[in-house]
Amino acid sequence: GDSVTQMEGPVTLSEEAFLTINCTYTATGYPSLFWYVQYPGEGLQLLLKATKADDKGSNKGFEATYRKETTSFHLEKGSVQVSDSAVYFCALSAGASGNTPLVFGKGTRLSVIA
Amino acid sequence: SAVISQKPSRDICQRGTSLTIQCQVDSQVTMMFWYRQQPGQSLTLIATANQGSEATYESGFVIDKFPISRPNLTFSTLTVSNMSPEDSSIYLCSVDWGSYGYTFGSGTRLTVV
Repeated sequence: GDSVTQMEGPVTLSEEAFLTINCTYTATGYPSLFWYVQYPGEGLQLLLKATKADDKGSNKGFEATYRKETTSFHLEKGSVQVSDSAVYFCALSAGASGNTPLVFGKGTRLSVIA
Repeated sequence: SAVISQKPSRDICQRGTSLTIQCQVDSQVTMMFWYRQQPGQSLTLIATANQGSEATYESGFVIDKFPISRPNLTFSTLTVSNMSPEDSSIYLCSVDWGSYGYTFGSGTRLTVV
């Protein structure tokens, strides 16, 4: 079945460091790919998404590019801030819009220290 | 995008009892999805709720334990029945809002004692 594999955490970085969180997927067809963020004590928020190969999703300085050839959707940010400390989830949707649930990776906890 | 109101936000329940969680969406949607997030873990799909038919449950989840209602296109409930401490989790509902992505309720943090 469809699955998402993302790098194990926790990841601890100093402020202004470069961030990469790896995400690879297995799916039939052409899934849509997502990154969600969960700040401490809060619900899930959509960070960015991409719906087809070579699309780049971006938001709040974060970017991820849909790489079909490597089945990857790695999350990057050039300079992290303390406020970026959260759990990040990579996810995919492999079916028709509206009818298919998301499949999540295990999540990666990021801690940014000043 | 859709706005989902989920309640209760948290509850502490005695083992053996049941809790019903409600999700109200501000627009009509075909499917609603229910997830469980165990402490420190990722989200696991419990079931998909389609209005007018029985919910479809994922492996490891059964209707007797997690009955779901979907009386109309904007509302759904999930009941956690005969609770045990292992049911302590965050429960979330979600809808697919097309180009806006998936929207999630704020979650119900359940503690069973």
